[in-house]
Amino acid sequence: QVQLVQSGAEVKKPGASVKVSCKASGYTFTSYGISWVRQAPGQGLEWMGWISAYNGNTNYAQKLQGRVTMTTDTSTSTAYMELRSLRSDDTAVYYCARDPYSSSSFFDPWGQGTLVTVSS
Amino acid sequence: QSALTQPASVSGSPGQSITISCTGTSSDVGSYNLVSWYQQHPGKAPKLMIYEVSKRPSGVSNRFSGSKSGNTASLTISGLQAEDEADYYCCSYAGSSTYYVFGTGTKVTVL
Repeated sequence: QVQLVQSGAEVKKPGASVKVSCKASGYTFTSYGISWVRQAPGQGLEWMGWISAYNGNTNYAQKLQGRVTMTTDTSTSTAYMELRSLRSDDTAVYYCARDPYSSSSFFDPWGQGTLVTVSS
Repeated sequence: QSALTQPASVSGSPGQSITISCTGTSSDVGSYNLVSWYQQHPGKAPKLMIYEVSKRPSGVSNRFSGSKSGNTASLTISGLQAEDEADYYCCSYAGSSTYYVFGTGTKVTVL
């Protein structure tokens, strides 16, 4: 079955960086994109950006431009999201989700989520 | 880009039907038939319930249906069941500069 498995929880200090991984299985990795969505505690969903697993093209949310980098490793069917210069308001659960992008726009399935806590 | 507007909460009794609205603008919901809906139970990842306004993924109950009129999309849950109690989020494609915008989220309570 199609599945996305994310890396474990992280605790980081303000100003540090975090890199979250998302390993895909059950489908042809390069036929889809991966979107990243985050959810601060008790808050709603926020789209962060998208990467094409086919050619590595990226689109980032304007508010995160310059702090976020999304990459993929097609040899291991894994997507990565790195967020730099972390602040306390970056504390959130980070999700990856498969995104067909070129043919439609929706997120299915989602990874289990990775809690990133930013605290001094 | 502002979030799409959803009611904070909607409730209904078992067996009843409820509708959740999702109001955007002519730059997102009104321009594209690319509205999707997600169900999220506490502590769990969101789950796709509706895509492209009204299409249901395989495995999703036909009690869930979607529609759109102008800048407002709607999710209807018919025959409400206890397991439907969750948070629901809409999402719309918003063009090649903003890409995606989510709704504010609606908590559904089964009385």
